[in-house]
Amino acid sequence: GNSVTQMEGPVTLSEEAFLTINCTYTATGYPSLFWYVQYPGEGLQLLLKATKADDKGSNKGFEATYRKETTSFHLEKGSVQVSDSAVYFCALRGINTNAGKSTFGDGTTLTVKP
Amino acid sequence: DAMVIQNPRYQVTQFGKPVTLSCSQTLNHNVMYWYQQKSSQAPKLLFHYYDKDFNNEADTPDNFQSRRPNTSFCFLDIRSPGLGDAAMYLCATSTRQGDNSPLHFGNGTRLTVT
Repeated sequence: GNSVTQMEGPVTLSEEAFLTINCTYTATGYPSLFWYVQYPGEGLQLLLKATKADDKGSNKGFEATYRKETTSFHLEKGSVQVSDSAVYFCALRGINTNAGKSTFGDGTTLTVKP
Repeated sequence: DAMVIQNPRYQVTQFGKPVTLSCSQTLNHNVMYWYQQKSSQAPKLLFHYYDKDFNNEADTPDNFQSRRPNTSFCFLDIRSPGLGDAAMYLCATSTRQGDNSPLHFGNGTRLTVT
């Protein structure tokens, strides 16, 4: 079946530091890949997505590239802010894979200190 | 803005006392999902509706039921809440069942069982 493995947290960084959160996946078919962000007390929000190999998703300074050869979708940001403190979920979803259901990683908690 | 709205944001119920959580959407999406999330873990899919077709996950307890009276609304009924059912309940939508589009989440309802 499908699975998503995320870098374990929590991750604590100082403001303006470089962020990487690793994500690898196993899936049949050709899924799309997503990063969702969850701020305290809120639901998940789509942060970025990529629908095919070598696509780069980007939003709010975050980037992730769909690497089919390494089955990875690592999230990066060059300079984090305190407001980026949240839980980040890597996920996949695809046509003809797992009946179109989403598969989530376990989440990585990021804390950014001033 | 088109969105997914959950009410209430916080719900307190007593052990064994039935409770209903509600979700509405203005996105006109065909699919509505209910997820259970504990302690910033990955959301766990309970069930989903594709239009009026109900799809239950195999490991969803019978204590959890759902209704979708129309495209816009979906309800989660917990018939006899136990202490272990305390969690954040997230409603989400997507355009179709078998595609690779992202999910749109509401802000969740935090359920406390006393």
